[in-house]
Amino acid sequence: DGGITQSPKYLFRKEGQNVTLSCEQNLNHDAMYWYRQDPGQGLRLIYYSQIVNDFQKGDIAEGYSVSREKKESFPLTVTSAQKNPTAFYLCASTPRGFDYGYTFGSGTRLTVV
Amino acid sequence: SQQGEEDPQALSIQEGENATMNCSYKTSINNLQWYRQNSGRGLVHLILIRSNEREKHSGRLRVTLDTSKKSSSLLITASRAADTASYFCATDAEGLIQGAQKLVFGQGTRLTINP
Repeated sequence: DGGITQSPKYLFRKEGQNVTLSCEQNLNHDAMYWYRQDPGQGLRLIYYSQIVNDFQKGDIAEGYSVSREKKESFPLTVTSAQKNPTAFYLCASTPRGFDYGYTFGSGTRLTVV
Repeated sequence: SQQGEEDPQALSIQEGENATMNCSYKTSINNLQWYRQNSGRGLVHLILIRSNEREKHSGRLRVTLDTSKKSSSLLITASRAADTASYFCATDAEGLIQGAQKLVFGQGTRLTINP
């Protein structure tokens, strides 16, 4: 079945450590997105990519980095510069054009220990 | 940037009753979408309504859109315990960026269906 796979489901980060969250899709979607969700809150856009080898900053990109070397993959690195990384991270994808909904992964919960 | 805002923030009703959630937005849109999120899970796309549509149905879901008031409502009829979730509206305020939409999500309505 087609879909988006996020891994790991739970991730623990020590202070000063970089961690990478994986997002893989087999839907042949061009666009991919990373959102952050804090408890009881909505989604805030971190980074997005509409085509391979290109990506743009969202509203809260500071302390995060991404790459888009393959159409299927859009990994997110949470760097030590992100001072408050504890949150639920969601990856999504969509085809180009209007009138398409996003397909979301099941999320990664990151906790700083 | 905050585009869509849902109202109420939380809603608790009895099973079998109808649930209505509202969404307001600020700028012109091409479409408005509703998503459901069960606790600790990803979002699931429910329904998309285009800016030239006024009403859309999908099973027990009914969505209305009033572009003059910049608002939308999601009605869930004959609610069930399994409908307990958070519901988000999302809009594409910036149109297509390199061919794809960039959605902005509201804060969500937390719906609880009591058995």
